[in-house]
Amino acid sequence: AQSVSQHNHHVILSEAASLELGCNYSYGGTVNLFWYVQYPGQHLQLLLKYFSGDPLVKGIKGFEAEFIKSKFSFNLRKPSVQWSDTAEYFCAVKTGGGNKLTFGTGTQLKVEL
Amino acid sequence: SAVISQKPSRDICQRGTSLTIQCQVDSQVTMMFWYRQQPGQSLTLIATANQGSEATYESGFVIDKFPISRPNLTFSTLTVSNMSPEDSSIYLCSVEGSRGRGTDTQYFGPGTRLTVL
Repeated sequence: AQSVSQHNHHVILSEAASLELGCNYSYGGTVNLFWYVQYPGQHLQLLLKYFSGDPLVKGIKGFEAEFIKSKFSFNLRKPSVQWSDTAEYFCAVKTGGGNKLTFGTGTQLKVEL
Repeated sequence: SAVISQKPSRDICQRGTSLTIQCQVDSQVTMMFWYRQQPGQSLTLIATANQGSEATYESGFVIDKFPISRPNLTFSTLTVSNMSPEDSSIYLCSVEGSRGRGTDTQYFGPGTRLTVL
């Protein structure tokens, strides 16, 4: 069965620092990849997604992610974080054309002023 | 774009009782799903709610414990039956294939926070 790993469980950054959150999956076939974000007190929202084409995808609020097939990775990046980026970030994968989303364990990001 | 609501938003229940959670979408959707997020853990798919037929359950989840209904393309319910403290979780509804949102991407409701005493 496929699995998704997020190695950073808690990240603390200062405003303006650069961010990279790791996401690795275990599946050898076709994948659809997602990053979701959950701001404090809010529901889960889609940040960005990759289905095909350019492996560098851009999402909302200045976030981007790069799909590296050879590394089974889909890391999330932002060049300069803001205090309002404090949230929990989830990587998720769909495999083999199915509908099931498999989520990583999430990364809690705290941005300090 | 689709707006997803869930009722109740939270509840505190006694052991042995059942709770039914409702998920309402303001437009027709192709797929509806139910997830569980236990404290400190990630989201786990419970089942896919199929319109007009029995839900499709994931490994480890059974219909007797989590009966699901989906009478139409905009509404689904999840019942957590004979509850125990281990059922304390956030239960989330998600949808896929709504008009204006495209397919292959799931969008989530606000969740129902359940505490079982």
